[in-house]
Amino acid sequence: DAGVIQSPRHEVTEMGQEVTLRCKPISGHDYLFWYRQTMMRGLELLIYFNNNVPIDDSGMPEDRFSAKMPNASFSTLKIQPSEPRDSAVYFCASRGGLDWGNEQFFGPGTRLTVL
Amino acid sequence: QKEVEQNSGPLSVPEGAIASLNCTYSDRGSQSFFWYRQYSGKSPELIMSIYSNGDKEDGRFTAQLNKASQYVSLLIRDSQPSDSATYLCAVILMEYGNKLVFGAGTILRVKS
Repeated sequence: DAGVIQSPRHEVTEMGQEVTLRCKPISGHDYLFWYRQTMMRGLELLIYFNNNVPIDDSGMPEDRFSAKMPNASFSTLKIQPSEPRDSAVYFCASRGGLDWGNEQFFGPGTRLTVL
Repeated sequence: QKEVEQNSGPLSVPEGAIASLNCTYSDRGSQSFFWYRQYSGKSPELIMSIYSNGDKEDGRFTAQLNKASQYVSLLIRDSQPSDSATYLCAVILMEYGNKLVFGAGTILRVKS
């Protein structure tokens, strides 16, 4: 299995631009999570999906952030407009259902820099 | 109290020693506990999961869980310089809708 796949690995953009981060979960996993990691705040859960349906988006910082999961093998996290304080590493993670246990696996992350 | 609490370190141990990493959590009803290792610039990597009180061993790693004390630990035997990383404790907290909540992590440095 290729594991969780994220793209791009690095993104540098200017303030005000739209940023789209992409994730492909492990095949067969029906939970998908988006996290943000910074030195100040550590690893924070932004939103998670179960069977493509958003379950909890309470961690999404503000309306500039949105996430979609149109099918079981693809999800996007969009920031519009981006701001310098959005600079962070964004991780996608996936987890199987009950038969898979509760173990969650992370993708390589996207390092976002907003200038 | 933070939901999942760890000493930030750094914890420095000599090569070959036992490294002991500790974590406490707030939700007495929690049932699932994990240790992740994160190298600088990399993503968190799951190394241990534990669900029952007691010890669980996997190679050089031993996870210990005490639900009554709301305490989970990770022991690394025969520490190697390659074990130098940040270790994240993570707990599925029922009081937060069964979300996986991470501690801030403990930096481990193994000196050769």
